[in-house]
Amino acid sequence: AQKVTQAQTEISVVEKEDVTLDCVYETRDTTYYLFWYKQPPSGELVFLIRRNSFDEQNEISGRYSWNFQKSTSSFNFTITASQVVDSAVYFCALMGGGADGLTFGKGTHLIIQP
Amino acid sequence: GAGVSQSPSNKVTEKGKDVELRCDPISGHTALYWYRQSLGQGLEFLIYFQGNSAPDKSGLPSDRFSAERTGGSVSTLTIQRTQQEDSAVYLCASSSVGYYNEQFFGPGTRLTVL
Repeated sequence: AQKVTQAQTEISVVEKEDVTLDCVYETRDTTYYLFWYKQPPSGELVFLIRRNSFDEQNEISGRYSWNFQKSTSSFNFTITASQVVDSAVYFCALMGGGADGLTFGKGTHLIIQP
Repeated sequence: GAGVSQSPSNKVTEKGKDVELRCDPISGHTALYWYRQSLGQGLEFLIYFQGNSAPDKSGLPSDRFSAERTGGSVSTLTIQRTQQEDSAVYLCASSSVGYYNEQFFGPGTRLTVL
């Protein structure tokens, strides 16, 4: 069985602070993909990144960066110089080898205060 | 349209009635997914279509739930004899060829069973 754990249910920071959202996963598959999605107050899930299990290189996209560490089964997401528009619920998700769709974590509600 | 569309956006029904939810995937996307989002259960995978066939229907919560996809495009999720615990937001996503590709989500159908 697959599992994704996002231990932080809610994080509140002041604008311009850096913030890291944690994600820990469990799977027995050797090939799998990890994802991050953003769900703003409007409700629609927005794709942010996909990472496969064979590529542990960190990735940076503007103010966003992701740290994938297979040794600790973690795929953490950092927002640098946070902005109010970053306020949303962020979901980490895993897709393994079966036709099971995405397994989502419970999400982290990120609040950026002006 | 450019994105995944779902209809209706909101549905209020009485317990025991049947409902049909519709999903129009992004043109050309061969894979289609249904998920359910509720406060208690978070985001749950329901079913996946590759073309018109669904390899595994075990994610459907009960035998009151069924889904079909015709012409490799539109999909309908049918819930028979609705119960109050069926109240949730039902999300549809599609992705291009390749099971691990990123999924693009629609805005969802909010179902309320009275």
